[in-house]
Amino acid sequence: NAGVIQTPRHKVTGKGQEATLWCEPISGHSAVFWYRQTIVQGLEFLTYFRNQAPIDDSGMPKERFSAQMPNQSHSTLKIQSTQPQDSAVYLCASSAGGGSSQNTLYFGAGTRLSVL
Amino acid sequence: GQQVQQSPTSLVLQEGENAELQCNFSTSLNSMQWFYQRPGGSLVSVFYNPSGTKQSGRLTSTTVIKERRSSLHISSSQITDSGTYLCAMERGGRALIFGTGTTVSVSP
Repeated sequence: NAGVIQTPRHKVTGKGQEATLWCEPISGHSAVFWYRQTIVQGLEFLTYFRNQAPIDDSGMPKERFSAQMPNQSHSTLKIQSTQPQDSAVYLCASSAGGGSSQNTLYFGAGTRLSVL
Repeated sequence: GQQVQQSPTSLVLQEGENAELQCNFSTSLNSMQWFYQRPGGSLVSVFYNPSGTKQSGRLTSTTVIKERRSSLHISSSQITDSGTYLCAMERGGRALIFGTGTTVSVSP
């Protein structure tokens, strides 16, 4: 079990460029979550999928952020026209869903996005 | 305002000391989890604890859902316990909402 895999680990973009972040959840997990972490704001929820369907995107900035889960083995987070305030560590997590300890969330190592 | 409040914000311990971290929730919740993050490292689940007391080694978590609070007790702290401890609440099948964490520094 390789855990949740996120690529790239680091990404540097220029202001106005597009950034695509990738996440491979743990095999068999039905729920995939995206968060971003900054020193100032802490961990902020962005969006999540269950069985590939978008369930809640209430944390997503509406205009430039989008997330997809085209199949059960990966999800992408796309940021168009990146701005310096988008700089953060973007974290993907997955869980098996269901009850009890199956709700435990497993995080990837994150993608550090730096917008210059 | 913050739905998940953690205290203290930071904690400095001498190796061997005990510590108690608190987590309070401003709304009703279904369950909660404790996570640990080493500086620059990944978040790792420490406890999934919807209610009651759970122990894992030197860590003990106690959650009282009706009172909207949870605590994490570290006994006989070690240098390797240094890092940030975050609690998170789950409400109605929605995604976890995290607190801002307690940073623990254990010195020899």
